[in-house]
Amino acid sequence: EADIYQTPRYLVIGTGKKITLECSQTMGHDKMYWYQQDPGMELHLIHYSYGVNSTEKGDLSSESTVSRIRTEHFPLTLESARPSHTSQYLCASSPWGEVNSPLHFGNGTRLTVT
Amino acid sequence: KNEVEQSPQNLTAQEGEFITINCSYSVGISALHWLQQHPGGGIVSLFMLSSGKKKHGRLIATINIQEKHSSLHITASHPRDSAVYICAVGPRGGSQGNLIFGKGTKLSVKP
Repeated sequence: EADIYQTPRYLVIGTGKKITLECSQTMGHDKMYWYQQDPGMELHLIHYSYGVNSTEKGDLSSESTVSRIRTEHFPLTLESARPSHTSQYLCASSPWGEVNSPLHFGNGTRLTVT
Repeated sequence: KNEVEQSPQNLTAQEGEFITINCSYSVGISALHWLQQHPGGGIVSLFMLSSGKKKHGRLIATINIQEKHSSLHITASHPRDSAVYICAVGPRGGSQGNLIFGKGTKLSVKP
């Protein structure tokens, strides 16, 4: 049973559109993450947050932005979608305190930009 | 060369077989994660370990820190085990969540 939810599961959208990928968790976790995964490739961290009003960029450069106004909500926004943004986006969370606590992942959003 | 290498890339097994997936890494780590990704894309955390061995049901994970190597074993494999298994390491001194991921091993278990 998922405690971290991503919507939509699939999104096909035209170039130039603004999109927001939603991620919510009900576990009260302080730490949240966005990963990008191209088909057959490894995951890469693009954004993370350690709590409300805290956001940082990950190792993989991304044109997306994130916000963390509420603990449970960590949306990702693309102001102007391009075909190069076509990928799977996975959201994850973990509790504060344990450096290496397991990550809880959402089911992902598969984005296609035409 | 990726800092986390998994082998094999693809694995087909018959139901009931014992399966081993290997992971080698080249950086100092604070922990190693084994993850399972189903065809729909969602990921489940199977194990997180920094030494020794962990067991959960039919799954066993081992790690050898000196050799920078970990293995994931599945005993009595079943078609529902079919998935991509991903090894990821948390570099020593790195921030949590900033894991280095392998490309995954795609396992298909035939009935």
